[in-house]
Amino acid sequence: AQKVTQAQTEISVVEKEDVTLDCVYETRDTTYYLFWYKQPPSGELVFLIRRNSFDEQNEISGRYSWNFQKSTSSFNFTITASQVVDSAVYFCALSPFYGQNFVFGPGTRLSVLP
Amino acid sequence: GAVVSQHPSRVICKSGTSVKIECRSLDFQATTMFWYRQFPKKSLMLMATSNEGSKATYEQGVEKDKFLINHASLTLSTLTVTSAHPEDSSFYICSARDLRGGENTEAFFGQGTRLTVV
Repeated sequence: AQKVTQAQTEISVVEKEDVTLDCVYETRDTTYYLFWYKQPPSGELVFLIRRNSFDEQNEISGRYSWNFQKSTSSFNFTITASQVVDSAVYFCALSPFYGQNFVFGPGTRLSVLP
Repeated sequence: GAVVSQHPSRVICKSGTSVKIECRSLDFQATTMFWYRQFPKKSLMLMATSNEGSKATYEQGVEKDKFLINHASLTLSTLTVTSAHPEDSSFYICSARDLRGGENTEAFFGQGTRLTVV
């Protein structure tokens, strides 16, 4: 069975603080994809990153960075110097390498206060 | 990224009526479309998966006669909520993927539809 856990239900930070959103997953597949999506108050899901299980290199994109640790089944997401516009619900998701199933975590609601 | 357009973004309907929600992939061909339901402050719950030209596959507990899904073309899928009741009020969101290559790509999501049944 596949499962994604995001232990932090809600996080509040003050603008310019760094914040890390945790994601732990379970899968029996040896190859798989991991994703992060952002859902702002307007509701649409915004794709942030896709990472395949072969690639454990950390990735940085502007203020965003991702740390993939296969040994601990974690795919954490860090926002550096947070901004009010970062306030949203963030979902971590897991998908098999081949196939259609897409499992979402429960989401973490991030509030960045001015 | 690719664009998926979902319409309408908001709809209010009377109890007992039916509502149709459209999901279109604008710049790619979506072999597979997914319909999710999201309750307030909750995660996305997969309702059904539809492949173009085939009957949709529904998740356990989802009434297929109530939530009719049609995926007649590679760019359009529709979800019809039949005989809507207040408990059907929710946020519905579709996603589209082109899985012809086999390997999974990212799923592109529509803007979502907020359905309120009064």
